[in-house]
Amino acid sequence: EVVLTQSPGTLSLSPGESATLSCRASESVSRFLAWYQQKPGQAPRLLIYDASNRATGIPARFSGSGSGTDFTLTISSVEPEDFAVYYCHQRSHWPSGTFGQGTKVEIK
Amino acid sequence: VQLVEFGGGVVQPGRSLRLSCVASGFTLGRNGMHWVRQAPGKGLEWVAVTSFEGSHIYYADSVKGRFTISRDNANNTVYLQMNSLRPEDTAVYYCAKDLQYLGGYFDLWGQGTLVTVSS
Repeated sequence: EVVLTQSPGTLSLSPGESATLSCRASESVSRFLAWYQQKPGQAPRLLIYDASNRATGIPARFSGSGSGTDFTLTISSVEPEDFAVYYCHQRSHWPSGTFGQGTKVEIK
Repeated sequence: VQLVEFGGGVVQPGRSLRLSCVASGFTLGRNGMHWVRQAPGKGLEWVAVTSFEGSHIYYADSVKGRFTISRDNANNTVYLQMNSLRPEDTAVYYCAKDLQYLGGYFDLWGQGTLVTVSS
């Protein structure tokens, strides 16, 4: 099973600051990686798929990069509605897709 | 445009439960449909997937042999039959639409239904 390790566990930011979230895979997943945002009491929402493609309706301030084992989600200027938990997810080793443990982005 | 899950509740270990997921405002089309679960306060775990025609069905090892996924395209509904439930199956269960035929990414999620397995 591919293990995804996200860092940091918690990121404390002020609105307007930039956020950089990391996801490292235990083995190569090529570019088959997605990022999801989850707010309390809500279902996750797809932000990025195939490492760098924004999903429909996702603002341009969200961007993804990386390949192989190291991936990054960047929020260029954090808005108040962006405070949430972010999960990375690989689908390379289909069908046994796995998720990272999550990074919480909180208000500083 | 939404997915709505039904059927969660409290059930004793060893018993069964069936979850339903209805698509509202759109048709499921040729996209795969998944179930993903989240234990209280924990992360996400993929559970099962079915292709549009049901010819490709896969399960996580943790539920294989106990859970069965199916779909009724005419009624825009996906099901998860859960047998021999265990306390570790306690979670919010989400149905999720695949971005593609069986691409493995989830671009629309339901609001989730809580399953609690406890005596």
